[in-house]
Amino acid sequence: AAGVIQSPRHLIKEKRETATLKCYPIPRHDTVYWYQQGPGQDPQFLISFYEKMQSDKGSIPDRFSAQQFSDYHSELNMSSLELGDSALYFCASSNRGNYGYTFGSGTRLTVV
Amino acid sequence: QKEVEQNSGPLSVPEGAIASLNCTYSDRVSQSFFWYRQYSGKSPELIMSIYSNGDKEDGRFTAQLNKASQYVSLLIRDSQPSDSATYLCAVHPSNDMRFGAGTRLTVKP
Repeated sequence: AAGVIQSPRHLIKEKRETATLKCYPIPRHDTVYWYQQGPGQDPQFLISFYEKMQSDKGSIPDRFSAQQFSDYHSELNMSSLELGDSALYFCASSNRGNYGYTFGSGTRLTVV
Repeated sequence: QKEVEQNSGPLSVPEGAIASLNCTYSDRVSQSFFWYRQYSGKSPELIMSIYSNGDKEDGRFTAQLNKASQYVSLLIRDSQPSDSATYLCAVHPSNDMRFGAGTRLTVKP
């Protein structure tokens, strides 16, 4: 079965650079979520999209932005990267409603 | 207070024993509750969902929900070394999911 695809798997950037993370949800899933997980931390909700519209916003810094495109894939854009942005970034998708999410394998971002 | 609190770990049990993981949540409107298993450096994997008060069993896993007490738990019977992971409790109060900090479980052979 198709899963949530994230790219790239690993990314190394320097401070103040820009990064773009991509997420391809499970086909026919209408909602995409982005989470950030620091070392030893629980996943922190960043932002979600339902039917290509921003649905909810969590602890996403102003330096980050995201969007969902017509083919339902989503991109998380991160600018002016800081050392503290180093983390695992997970994308998850679901059908709207009270169902468990399916997570992608994540993108490990390292800012040096 | 965090929205989702889990019993502090790490938790260590011998192989074959029952592992008990606990979680409380603060938002009374929450209707959906989940347990995720996460191996180090990997993405969370959904292992149990529960929506109604009572017990729900799936193989060696049993989830228990008590909405009046705002409490949800996960029991793992006949624990195996492969169960060693961090277990995340997740609650769905609105349009996104809130996670607890996780409990690290180690099953010793």
